[in-house]
Amino acid sequence: EAGVTQFPSHSVIEKGQTVTLRCDPISGHDNLYWYRRVMGKEIKFLLHFVKESKQDESGMPNNRFLAERTGGTYSTLKVQPAELEDSGVYFCASSQDWQLQETQYFGPGTRLLVL
Amino acid sequence: QQQVKQSPQSLIVQKGGISIINCAYENTAFDYFPWYQQFPGKGPALLIAIRPDVSEKKEGRFTISFNKSAKQFSLHIMDSQPGDSATYFCAASMASGTYKYIFGTGTRLKVLA
Repeated sequence: EAGVTQFPSHSVIEKGQTVTLRCDPISGHDNLYWYRRVMGKEIKFLLHFVKESKQDESGMPNNRFLAERTGGTYSTLKVQPAELEDSGVYFCASSQDWQLQETQYFGPGTRLLVL
Repeated sequence: QQQVKQSPQSLIVQKGGISIINCAYENTAFDYFPWYQQFPGKGPALLIAIRPDVSEKKEGRFTISFNKSAKQFSLHIMDSQPGDSATYFCAASMASGTYKYIFGTGTRLKVLA
């Protein structure tokens, strides 16, 4: 069974540009989470989808970040316009049943560097 | 405000030794405490997890000790091996809402051969 995949693995952009990160969760997983780790700090929650619906957006830093989950399958996280402080590793995770507290499976992350 | 505090930031252990990583939390509503292991270039992977109704859980060389009254939990790696060299994250979540994880800052473990 394929794990959580993320694309791209790395992205280097200039301040003010737009970047879109993609996450493909494990097939059949209803829950999809986005997290971010800024260098040396904790992995921080950004938002949670249950199928195609946003369940919790409390961790989104500001309105420059837009997340979508088309048809309850893959998800995209767009940063527009990117700022220096957006640099970090963006992780996506998925779990199967939205009603249960289950293991979250993480993808390898997208390393974003904003210059 | 960091809700889960993890220490140490880095740890060097000789092969065969015991590695100990500690975490403390503030929110008594947390009721699920996983530990994740991350190798360079990979995503975090679940290592072992515990709920507050038990004080200890062991899986192979990995043990979680949990102290509910002190709001602390720790990971013990017995007979540490060079292959255990990785970054370890503790986390906490609540049995309601989104089940989102609150992570510690991570511990970079190096086991010397």
